Amino acid sequence: GNSVTQMEGPVTLSEEAFLTINCTYTATGYPSLFWYVQYPGEGLQLLLKATKADDKGSNKGFEATYRKETTSFHLEKGSVQVSDSAVYFCALRTQGGSEKLVFGKGTKLTVNP
Amino acid sequence: EAGVAQSPRYKIIEKRQSVAFWCNPISGHATLYWYQQILGQGPKLLIQFQNNGVVDDSQLPKDRFSAERLKGVDSTLKIQPAKLEDSAVYLCASKGSGDTIYFGEGSWLTVV
Repeated sequence: GNSVTQMEGPVTLSEEAFLTINCTYTATGYPSLFWYVQYPGEGLQLLLKATKADDKGSNKGFEATYRKETTSFHLEKGSVQVSDSAVYFCALRTQGGSEKLVFGKGTKLTVNP
Repeated sequence: EAGVAQSPRYKIIEKRQSVAFWCNPISGHATLYWYQQILGQGPKLLIQFQNNGVVDDSQLPKDRFSAERLKGVDSTLKIQPAKLEDSAVYLCASKGSGDTIYFGEGSWLTVV
């Protein structure tokens, strides 16, 4: 079946540190890949996406590249800010059928000043 | 453009009671989803509608959960009777013809 595995959290960083959150997936066919962010007390917001191999999604300084050969979609940011503190979810969506999102368990990021 | 609206935002009920959550998707979005997010876990799909038809309800506990989308717009998710393990955030989401699924802020349920 389809599944997403994210690195275990929580992750605590100092402001301006480099961030990597690992994400790997298992899927039939060629899924679209997403990163969603959930700020405290809020719903999920789409952060970035990639729909085919070698695509790079980017937004707000975050980047992730769709790597088909390693079935990965790692999230990176060169310099985190306190305002980036949130829970980050990696997700996939298969083409056709129900087109539902399948999520990883989430990684909580805390950035300290 | 208005987002996905959900109500109530917060609800506390005793076990064996019932509760209903309401969702109004983004205007024109044919696909509507209900997800359950238990604390510390990723969201899990409960049910997906395409207009007013059910596309996927394979993970909906049908002995206690029900959902409807009668006119293909608003949707209601009901739990009766509630169990302690139903404590979670219930997220409604919608999708139009594009690629992106948009989520509401969620309805936070505590069963005591």
